Amino acid sequence: EAQVTQNPRYLITVTGKKLTVTCSQNMNHEYMSWYRQDPGLGLRQIYYSMNVEVTDKGDVPEGYKVSRKEKRNFPLILESPSPNQTSLYFCASSLSPGLRVGNEQFFGPGTRLTVL
Amino acid sequence: GNSVTQMEGPVTLSEEAFLTINCTYTATGYPSLFWYVQYPGEGLQLLLKATKADDKGSNKGFEATYRKETTSFHLEKGSVQVSDSAVYFCALWMDSSYKLIFGSGTRLLVRP
Repeated sequence: EAQVTQNPRYLITVTGKKLTVTCSQNMNHEYMSWYRQDPGLGLRQIYYSMNVEVTDKGDVPEGYKVSRKEKRNFPLILESPSPNQTSLYFCASSLSPGLRVGNEQFFGPGTRLTVL
Repeated sequence: GNSVTQMEGPVTLSEEAFLTINCTYTATGYPSLFWYVQYPGEGLQLLLKATKADDKGSNKGFEATYRKETTSFHLEKGSVQVSDSAVYFCALWMDSSYKLIFGSGTRLLVRP
């Protein structure tokens, strides 16, 4: 089944304790992206990747890191989490960056992170 | 900059009622427009899309028409069901920015 998976789905942690949220897709997609969802703000892009070893900042990259060593994986790293990073995080992927010609962006199920 | 504005929710309707969720956008250039749906506890699913002016996207009884003159992409359904209860997001994509820009979401609650 074609899908985007994220782990963990739920995480409660404390300020300053490094964590990684994994994202994996099995569709051989080139483009992957991380978003965070906050009430009243919709989803905002954190980082994206056009292909292996190609990553770039989105709208809210502060406090986050990413890597793209393999095509299928795009982990989100919080080196020193803070309470303002408490949010619902979504990973997404698509065959290529352009969405014009029937190229759908698939979303993972989400990771709910609480930083105390 | 590019942005999407959606009507505030929640929207509460009775089953079989007509649904409209308003969405307007601001963009330099010609974006593609999308509606995504998020059911409780799940990720976002693409509901419908339109890639150029006057295109109508449709799926599962939902429709939206890309109106360039009013910069709008309102979501409509003629007869909602309880199972349509979810959060609906309007979004736009510009090839130059490599990201979806989302509205704040509108929660729909359909009562039996």
